[in-house]
Amino acid sequence: DAMVIQNPRYQVTQFGKPVTLSCSQTLNHNVMYWYQQKSSQAPKLLFHYYDKDFNNEADTPDNFQSRRPNTSFCFLDIRSPGLGDAAMYLCATSRGNVVAETQYFGPGTRLLVL
Amino acid sequence: AQSVTQLDSQVPVFEEAPVELRCNYSSSVSVYLFWYVQYPNQGLQLLLKYLSGSTLVKGINGFEAEFNKSQTSFHLRKPSVHISDTAEYFCASNNAGNMLTFGGGTRLMVKP
Repeated sequence: DAMVIQNPRYQVTQFGKPVTLSCSQTLNHNVMYWYQQKSSQAPKLLFHYYDKDFNNEADTPDNFQSRRPNTSFCFLDIRSPGLGDAAMYLCATSRGNVVAETQYFGPGTRLLVL
Repeated sequence: AQSVTQLDSQVPVFEEAPVELRCNYSSSVSVYLFWYVQYPNQGLQLLLKYLSGSTLVKGINGFEAEFNKSQTSFHLRKPSVHISDTAEYFCASNNAGNMLTFGGGTRLMVKP
């Protein structure tokens, strides 16, 4: 089945140690999104790619970076994780960025920072 | 700027009872509205969306929602809930590109 895959499902890292989360999709969608969801809160968009065009949300900390080497893969890099970065990180895709186009979400990666 | 408000953070309900999860939006322009469901430790799944046309939208798993422009609401309803409906439900809107603005979420707790 076509889907959005996130690995790993759970990631433990140390305070200040760089960590990379990965997302892949078999939907061949043009747009990929990264959301941060803290406990009992709504998902918050960090950034998105339309093809290779990177779009950063204004309030996304510089500590968060992203790479999209090809259509299928997108990575979230946290350069120096702090305790406040512990959260669920959700990847989503959509075919285009036309308004109201459905976004398809992966299962998420839960990040724990020790 | 648009915003989405979910009035109830938690809704407990007994199995087979009806349920309504409330959502209000604010937007000065045309808005598109969505309901997503999130089961524990999983991503979000689209339940339904309103783009235009009929104000009553039917979605998956027996859910439906009604768009009410005068009350700026998009409440989600189900006539008879199951234990398996226990989850977090998010209302969302977008009107610029495809960026979603989420409400704070409502935890539906279905009790036997």
